[in-house]
Amino acid sequence: DSGVTQTPKHLITATGQRVTLRCSPRSGDLSVYWYQQSLDQGLQFLIQYYNGEERAKGNILERFSAQQFPDLHSELNLSSLELGDSALYFCASSVDTRNTEAFFGQGTRLTVV
Amino acid sequence: AQSVTQLGSHVSVSEGALVLLRCNYSSSVPPYLFWYVQYPNQGLQLLLKYTTGATLVKGINGFEAEFKKSETSFHLTKPSAHMSDAAEYFCAVRLNTGFQKLVFGTGTRLLVSP
Repeated sequence: DSGVTQTPKHLITATGQRVTLRCSPRSGDLSVYWYQQSLDQGLQFLIQYYNGEERAKGNILERFSAQQFPDLHSELNLSSLELGDSALYFCASSVDTRNTEAFFGQGTRLTVV
Repeated sequence: AQSVTQLGSHVSVSEGALVLLRCNYSSSVPPYLFWYVQYPNQGLQLLLKYTTGATLVKGINGFEAEFKKSETSFHLTKPSAHMSDAAEYFCAVRLNTGFQKLVFGTGTRLLVSP
């Protein structure tokens, strides 16, 4: 158990819908990262937050957004969903951005039908 | 920008044989390097990491990796494979400055036969 909690574990939704994925980082970790894992794209970095502020952005679509709340949990919002958005979405956390080790949650498997 | 290349999407070994998973990186500054393992329907678990210092790094489950700057490599090895090692392995790199993300390779699936 990495200490990073992601909910829900599985999500099935229809095209055009909007979903929210939630991540609770390890206790004491200030930095949260979101990754998307799909068969064709592999593990892609989406976005990073540190203590509530966005710090780095990767290949995140405009239909996707994220935020980190004062209690440090983070949410990834995916809207106008398309079939191609079906993937495993991982959250990872680390103490701070200088800390080298990131701990990953179990992921949320999103299926868009 | 940094990048990672993992040679071989699948590697098959027999139980008890040497495991060698290859990783080459590209980075403009000294990198931090990682190997993660992903078991079916699981998240990623850190196997080992190189930051600074000793270039031979030992990790969990008997795995080790050697950072070779001249070859820009960070290959993962284990002397004797076990059935439980069957999983997907990811090499990752990040820069050692500022707010930096992990950049992952495409992964190598390790198959272990009896």
